[in-house]
Amino acid sequence: EEQLVESGGGLVQPGGSLRLSCTASGFTFSSQNMNWVRQAPGKGLEWLSFISGSSDVIVYADSVKGRFTISRDNAKNSLYLQLNSLRDEDTAVYYCARGEGSSWFYHWGQGTLVTVSS
Amino acid sequence: QAVVTQEPSLTVSPGGTVTLTCGSSTGAVTSSHYPYWLQQKPGQAPRTLIYDTSNKHSWTPARFSGSLLGGKAALTLSGAQPEDEADYYCLLSYSGAVVFGGGTKLTVL
Repeated sequence: EEQLVESGGGLVQPGGSLRLSCTASGFTFSSQNMNWVRQAPGKGLEWLSFISGSSDVIVYADSVKGRFTISRDNAKNSLYLQLNSLRDEDTAVYYCARGEGSSWFYHWGQGTLVTVSS
Repeated sequence: QAVVTQEPSLTVSPGGTVTLTCGSSTGAVTSSHYPYWLQQKPGQAPRTLIYDTSNKHSWTPARFSGSLLGGKAALTLSGAQPEDEADYYCLLSYSGAVVFGGGTKLTVL
């Protein structure tokens, strides 16, 4: 059975950093493009970043460019999102989603909650 | 950055038909925006129903269909079921960057 499991969320102070992970199983991780998407409490979805299977293409939303960094380790079947200079408005559930063929958001993880608060 | 617009809320009767739309601040939505439609129920992760305007995944109920309509992307639900009550999000691609709409809360009543 295919799974995407996010981890690394938690409570962090404004200005702090956090590294989120998304561990994949049940499919060939290295072949698939991946995305990070977040959802603030009671709000809509916001796309954050895309990375291709070989990491040769990386794209960020303007809202996080320069603060967040996406990466992956295909040997560990893992996707990462480094969050720096965190602000209150970064409080959200962070989801990873994988592509399959021409569908960029084929399957979603259950999310990990990041809370930025002093 | 482009703004993607959706109806904030819609209501459909059980068995009825409803169309949700997805517009772009940059002009007409075309197939080059690769429109997606996602469903999200309370407390759950999103689930992709439609990709590339009208393509369905294996889990997408046949009563959902995607299209382009009047310069917008559209999701039509024909024969609404109580379990279709959820938030629906569209997303559009702008030269590789992705923008989500604000979502439509669909009530089946």
